[in-house]
Amino acid sequence: AQSVTQLGSHVSVSEGALVLLRCNYSSSVPPYLFWYVQYPNQGLQLLLKYTSAATLVKGINGFEAEFKKSETSFHLTKPSAHMSDAAEYFCAVSRNAGGTSYGKLTFGQGTILTVHP
Amino acid sequence: DAGITQSPRHKVTETGTPVTLRCHQTENHRYMYWYRQDPGHGLRLIHYSYGVKDTDKGEVSDGYSVSRSKTEDFLLTLESATSSQTSVYFCAINPSGAGNTQYFGPGTRLTVL
Repeated sequence: AQSVTQLGSHVSVSEGALVLLRCNYSSSVPPYLFWYVQYPNQGLQLLLKYTSAATLVKGINGFEAEFKKSETSFHLTKPSAHMSDAAEYFCAVSRNAGGTSYGKLTFGQGTILTVHP
Repeated sequence: DAGITQSPRHKVTETGTPVTLRCHQTENHRYMYWYRQDPGHGLRLIHYSYGVKDTDKGEVSDGYSVSRSKTEDFLLTLESATSSQTSVYFCAINPSGAGNTQYFGPGTRLTVL
């Protein structure tokens, strides 16, 4: 079984400040890890993903995440927040077990990011 | 744009009535999924499909059934809707399974009165 925990359902930062959204996972096999973003009344959009290549993954809109196996973490960061970053962010895990996982995702509970001027 | 449409986009129905939601893709991808999104729970997998007529249950499948008679369409049916099924439903597609990006549709907001 696999699971994802996102620490903090709400995170508030000032414009220009560091964004840090925390994600810890549990998986019995090597994982694939994803961060998605959801803007109000829209579907989910991929920010970045880890698929066992480089542990530091760069995504869209200046976001990046680092896979730390020893800490079972995949935290999302952005050096300088912008007002347009306000959204809900989801961390997700998928089993790296060949074709048997069918690409199914297990999501965390989500973190709402608020950016103050 | 991943070529995914969902219909209807909004629906209000009454307890006990059957409801069918449709997901349509234009990319002929093999894998399709249905999720529900509820505050505090993120997205939870209802059912998924790995080919025409090949479907299986996810973690919250009770009260739901699915069908996939064509590659491009994946239908989710609530046989007898209950208020606990009020949610936002998302369809997703995946070109080739494990490790690949899932692309999400715009969602269907369902309210069961």
